[in-house]
Amino acid sequence: AQSVSQHNHHVILSEAASLELGCNYSYGGTVNLFWYVQYPGQHLQLLLKYFSGDPLVKGIKGFEAEFIKSKFSFNLRKPSVQWSDTAEYFCAVEGRSGQNFVFGPGTRLSVLP
Amino acid sequence: KAGVTQTPRYLIKTRGQQVTLSCSPISGHRSVSWYQQTPGQGLQFLFEYFSETQRNKGNFPGRFSGRQFSNSRSEMNVSTLELGDSALYLCASSLSSGSSYNEQFFGPGTRLTVL
Repeated sequence: AQSVSQHNHHVILSEAASLELGCNYSYGGTVNLFWYVQYPGQHLQLLLKYFSGDPLVKGIKGFEAEFIKSKFSFNLRKPSVQWSDTAEYFCAVEGRSGQNFVFGPGTRLSVLP
Repeated sequence: KAGVTQTPRYLIKTRGQQVTLSCSPISGHRSVSWYQQTPGQGLQFLFEYFSETQRNKGNFPGRFSGRQFSNSRSEMNVSTLELGDSALYLCASSLSSGSSYNEQFFGPGTRLTVL
């Protein structure tokens, strides 16, 4: 069965700090990978996705993620965070053979002004 | 175009009752998935419907059921409610199911509180 782990439960950063949120998955086949964000009081929104091609994908709001197949990882990065990035971030995996989405437990990011 | 809508947004029930939640997907989307979100368990997949058929099911008891109508709208039903069913129930729609492109768009959720 698929599973997704996220390295940190809660990350606290100051504005302008660099961000890296870890995501690892276990699945035997080919996958689609996603990062979703949930801002306080808002619904889940897609940040970025990887299906194929360049393993470095760029998303909205300056976020990017790198798929490293050998490590089963899809870490999210941003060079300089802002207070408005305070949110919960979820990594998700979908097996290409039609398996359902599996979400990681989420990482809460708090950015201090 | 309009996003995914869920009704009601908030619901309070007591143990033993049943509840029905509704989800209207984005126009043209044929796949609807349901998730339960709780602080302790995170986001857990309940089931997915595509063209009125359940395609995938998560590890939830039979008290949780769903259906999809010909217009792709979906309902989720929980019978014999338990305190642990208190959660945010999210619906997500996508164009298709089981394809290599399956971006999901989420609704705002229904906050269910069981007393």
